[in-house]
Amino acid sequence: AQSVTQLDSQVPVFEEAPVELRCNYSSSVSVYLFWYVQYPNQGLQLLLKYLSGSTLVKGINGFEAEFNKSQTSFHLRKPSVHISDTAEYFCAVSEIHGTSYGKLTFGQGTILTVHP
Amino acid sequence: SQTIHQWPATLVQPVGSPLSLECTVEGTSNPNLYWYRQAAGRGLQLLFYSVGIGQISSEVPQNLSASRPQDRQFILSSKKLLLSDSGFYLCAWRLLSNEQFFGPGTRLTVL
Repeated sequence: AQSVTQLDSQVPVFEEAPVELRCNYSSSVSVYLFWYVQYPNQGLQLLLKYLSGSTLVKGINGFEAEFNKSQTSFHLRKPSVHISDTAEYFCAVSEIHGTSYGKLTFGQGTILTVHP
Repeated sequence: SQTIHQWPATLVQPVGSPLSLECTVEGTSNPNLYWYRQAAGRGLQLLFYSVGIGQISSEVPQNLSASRPQDRQFILSSKKLLLSDSGFYLCAWRLLSNEQFFGPGTRLTVL
């Protein structure tokens, strides 16, 4: 079984400032890692994913994340945020192998609020 | 292209009434499908998943049930709604490498 912990439930930041949203996971098997974004009253949209290879992953909207296997972390970063980045962000993991049928385990979410 | 439709978009129901939420997908065949619930202030909870027609797996014991009558149709139901069933319900399907593609969601309020 896997678990995901998003260390901050809310992150306020000023426009054009950098931001980091933290995610730690626990799993006894190898996993894929994902970050999703949810705007109010909408479904989830994939920001980026780590499957294998380079540990630095670039996604949409200028976001990137770094996979750190030794620290079991997958923190999301953006060097300069915009008002439009205000949303809730979810970290998720999924077993690469096994009988999990592709199920995702999500963290509790981090609400990013960008102030002018 | 890949599309998920969820119907209705919003729903207000009294306690004890029945429920039927529908999810249909386009642009794929024989998908793995998932129902999630997002309650206020909480993350996403996986409720059911289906790997094919008539095949349903339940993740948590609850007041809800799911059915998959057709390859690209996934239905979430209840015979009698509880207040605790309120939330935002999301349907998703599995893409390559376990990435999931989400629908627009249904906001359910039980009064």
